[in-house]
Amino acid sequence: QKEVEQNSGPLSVPEGAIASLNCTYSDRVSQSFFWYRQYSGKSPELIMSIYSNGDKEDGRFTAQLNKASQYVSLLIRDSQPSDSATYLCAVSGYSTLTFGKGTMLLVSP
Amino acid sequence: GAGVSQTPSNKVTEKGKYVELRCDPISGHTALYWYRQSLGQGPEFLIYFQGTGAADDSGLPNDRFFAVRPEGSVSTLKIQRTERGDSAVYLCASSQAGGGGTDTQYFGPGTRLTVL
Repeated sequence: QKEVEQNSGPLSVPEGAIASLNCTYSDRVSQSFFWYRQYSGKSPELIMSIYSNGDKEDGRFTAQLNKASQYVSLLIRDSQPSDSATYLCAVSGYSTLTFGKGTMLLVSP
Repeated sequence: GAGVSQTPSNKVTEKGKYVELRCDPISGHTALYWYRQSLGQGPEFLIYFQGTGAADDSGLPNDRFFAVRPEGSVSTLKIQRTERGDSAVYLCASSQAGGGGTDTQYFGPGTRLTVL
């Protein structure tokens, strides 16, 4: 049974701070890793993907992957109130995505 | 349209009834996925189509659930003898090639199913 674990939160940070979201996964053959953002009542929206060990930066977002530790994280710099949402970690093996339950992020002005 | 579309956006039905949920993927995407999301949970995989065929249906919870994609584009998820526990948001996603790996899945807006 593939498992993806995330803290449910909420994670509260002030505007302008760095938000750090973490995820661990159980299946060592996992190949690809994704972070989706989901606003309340909306569908998931892809914000980052990462496939190899190390860091990947895209604007204010940085994804970090450590396959040896089976750990993936998302850093959001200069957090904005509009970043307040649930962040879903998803892991892909050979075909489909396995999602975590998501971490709710609250950015206060 | 540019994105994945799903109809209806909301469906309320009574226990025991039959429902159909429709998904129209992004044009040209060969892979189509159905997920179910309950409150406070992440999306849960149901079934994956590569073209017209179901490549992986291991997530379907029981034989009341069935999905088709007869022409390799639009898909219909069918639920027979609905139960209150089937209430959830049903999400459809599509991707260009499928087969996991680096292929990105794009989600539709979902259908909120409520079984009374």
